[in-house]
Formats: sequence, structure tokens, C-alpha cells
Amino acid sequence: AQKVTQAQTEISVVEKEDVTLDCVYETRDTTYYLFWYKQPPSGELVFLIRRNSFDEQNEISGRYSWNFQKSTSSFNFTITASQVVDSAVYFCALRDSGGSNYKLTFGKGTLLTVNP
Amino acid sequence: NAGVTQTPKFQVLKTGQSMTLQCAQDMNHEYMSWYRQDPGMGLRLIHYSVGAGITDQGEVPNGYNVSRSTTEDFPLRLLSAAPSQTSVYFCASSYSRWGTDTQYFGPGTRLTVL
Repeated sequence: AQKVTQAQTEISVVEKEDVTLDCVYETRDTTYYLFWYKQPPSGELVFLIRRNSFDEQNEISGRYSWNFQKSTSSFNFTITASQVVDSAVYFCALRDSGGSNYKLTFGKGTLLTVNP
Repeated sequence: NAGVTQTPKFQVLKTGQSMTLQCAQDMNHEYMSWYRQDPGMGLRLIHYSVGAGITDQGEVPNGYNVSRSTTEDFPLRLLSAAPSQTSVYFCASSYSRWGTDTQYFGPGTRLTVL
């Protein structure tokens, strides 16, 4: 069965600090896809990134970066120089190659609070 | 493109009432799904559809019905509302059912059942 674990329930940082959100996943599939979504206080779910299981290159997009390591089944998300607008709940999610209702399996989310 | 739209944004029901949550997408997406979000439980799949005329159950389907008569629309029906159905409901769609495609979410419907 698929499982996504976000061990950090809540993180609080001061603006301009770097912060890493952890995500560990479990799946029996060899082909799968990993995602990060952001849920700001307004409540919508905003797609941030998708990663394929066969592409372990790290990715950087502005202040955001993602570290995918198959050896440890982790897909961690780092925000550099955090800003108040980064305050949100962040979800890591897994979608496999076709089974399990084609659904996204979500972690329970990490609430990030960035204080001025 | 409007993306994925949901109506209403908020709804209060009494126990036993029925209602339909509306979901529409204008991206010609094949796959559509409904999730519910509860505190401490994350998002769980209720029902999904891989194309017009095809629907199937997710993890928590009891008390809900869906239909997909067109590619664009995927309404979720609560047959007889119960307090346990108090939740935030999200509709999502993706180009295909496969993991290669990203699921995009609507803004959500916050439902309270008294």
C-alpha cells in the first residue's frame, strides 16, 4: 500500500530563515510520481512540483528547491530565505503508475508559520 | 481557462437533507475526482471518474453518489447528510488518469452538517 509521511506537523521560523519540510514515502511500484502542494490560509490547493521516480535530479525554482532521494524514499522541500507569504500548510503526495484508483495519496501536511 | 470550479463555497445542511456539490473543468481533462479534507486525516478520495459515463469508488464512498454525463462536469451528491460529512470537499482533475499528469484542484466547498 502507498503511504506518505510528513513527520513535522508544525514548523515555525522567523522571516529570512531557511526551512526544510520532510517527506518520506512508501510504494511497491517502480514507477511513481511525487508532488508537493501548498494550501495557504485561503484554503485552495496550489500545485508546486511533480517529480518522476526515474528522475532523481534536484530542482530549484527561485527560493524553492526539492531534494529527491530514492535510496531513502524521501522528497524533501526547502524554502530559502522564507517570507511571511510562505505561511501555509504544505502537502507531499504520491501517485503511482496506475493502480489504487489513480488517486493521490497525501501526507497529513506540515503547517509552516513564518513570523516577521 | 477558468480551471476547476466548485459551487457553492460554503453550505450548511441539517441532518437528513440532500444536496449536490457542483464541479466543472474547462481543460478537457479525462480524470476527475472528489476528495474530502478532515483535520488530522489529510485528503481522502471519495469517488473518481476516468471519463464521461465512467465512475468508481474511492476510499470513503459511503453516503455519496456521483455521475459524469459530460467531460466537463462531475457533481457529488450527498444523499442524506450526516454530521460525519462535515468537511471541506475538493474536486480535482487531470488530463489523464495516469501519474504522469498533475491533478489540479478546485477552491473547495466547506460543508457543515448540523
